Amino acid sequence: SQQGEEDPQALSIQEGENATMNCSYKTSINNLQWYRQNSGRGLVHLILIRSNEREKHSGRLRVTLDTSKKSSSLLITASRAADTASYFCATLWNNDMRFGAGTRLTVKP
Amino acid sequence: DGGITQSPKYLFRKEGQNVTLSCEQNLNHDAMYWYRQDPGQGLRLIYYSQIVNDFQKGDIAEGYSVSREKKESFPLTVTSAQKNPTAFYLCASSRDGQETQYFGPGTRLLVL
Repeated sequence: SQQGEEDPQALSIQEGENATMNCSYKTSINNLQWYRQNSGRGLVHLILIRSNEREKHSGRLRVTLDTSKKSSSLLITASRAADTASYFCATLWNNDMRFGAGTRLTVKP
Repeated sequence: DGGITQSPKYLFRKEGQNVTLSCEQNLNHDAMYWYRQDPGQGLRLIYYSQIVNDFQKGDIAEGYSVSREKKESFPLTVTSAQKNPTAFYLCASSRDGQETQYFGPGTRLLVL
């Protein structure tokens, strides 16, 4: 069964705006990962944040983790049309990885 | 090139037929996984393997079978017992099951 739940299910923004996606989960985690999927393709790993970390950056990506609230957020700054994709959070606990249903992001040029 | 490959890209299955999806990795990863993705949905785990000659059922293993005879290969067979096999199938691998998973390009299975 899926563990993470992304919010919103779909997000549409203009190029240059920031996009924020949220993920909530229910159990303990070793780490939380965000992945991106272009239509009809495999998933590509974006960033991993461990349970003892609160914030991580990678290029235009910023991920936060609040283990007390069992939630994470992914911020994409200065979005581009090429960022259009589905974004999934995945939680890992004792070799068991669970994916959410994803947020579909559309960036309009 | 290092990576994970899946074949074929598209696969058509007739009623009552078993079909096998290929997954190969040259990343020297111990762990390999098979997921099923239905339209607009997330990934559901079918089977996973942490080491050669060992594999475990995931959440939706019924109607599927796997083998792990070599470290590089983790083929998935969709049997005739799987009544609703139409989906996008993704294979992944990771170094030790604790870190990042690397995904193949996927196989789309359709029923004739």
